[in-house]
Amino acid sequence: GAVVSQHPSWVICKSGTSVKIECRSLDFQATTMFWYRQFPKQSLMLMATSNEGSKATYEQGVEKDKFLINHASLTLSTLTVTSAHPEDSSFYICSAGTTYEQYFGPGTRLTVT
Amino acid sequence: GENVEQHPSTLSVQEGDSAVIKCTYSDSASNYFPWYKQELGKGPQLIIDIRSNVGEKKDQRIAVTLNKTAKHFSLHITETQPEDSAVYFCAASRTGGYQKVTFGTGTKLQVIP
Repeated sequence: GAVVSQHPSWVICKSGTSVKIECRSLDFQATTMFWYRQFPKQSLMLMATSNEGSKATYEQGVEKDKFLINHASLTLSTLTVTSAHPEDSSFYICSAGTTYEQYFGPGTRLTVT
Repeated sequence: GENVEQHPSTLSVQEGDSAVIKCTYSDSASNYFPWYKQELGKGPQLIIDIRSNVGEKKDQRIAVTLNKTAKHFSLHITETQPEDSAVYFCAASRTGGYQKVTFGTGTKLQVIP
């Protein structure tokens, strides 16, 4: 149990376009989901906390207009990278929280050309 | 906010030897300390965790110790195997899957056959 999926697993897009990443909790409901970004050989950095039915809370330095987060249901949160640039290329990982712990997704590799 | 430091950044051990990774945290309100293993191109996988009311926890070859007074916690892997090779992250948060997790900087463990 407690499986989190992400789609797509990898995506290549052109500079200036937008890309949407989905995060789903497959066998449990998650009122809270988290989005992390991980650059090569670095740690996971929290971007934002997503609560079902309300606006996401962004960490300092994360542009909320560039990284749009929607948590429309208890099993789905989406991250849209708008007007992507090569510096947005990264590994994006979501997690879904239950009462006691978080479960992490497999990640999405975004490459912006 | 919470700050988690992790050492060493890289660690090479011979197969069968033990490996120890150490972390410190700054927020005295943190009371949940998970450890994650991340293989290349994958999301982090929880391998063991400890809560502040416990000083030590063991699961087969893996053990974690916590010194809440000193704000130190450590991961011990005994009888290392090549499949233990990965990047390991310590983390700290307040109790509950709805709390954001702060990750350490990571340790790349290489087990030499």
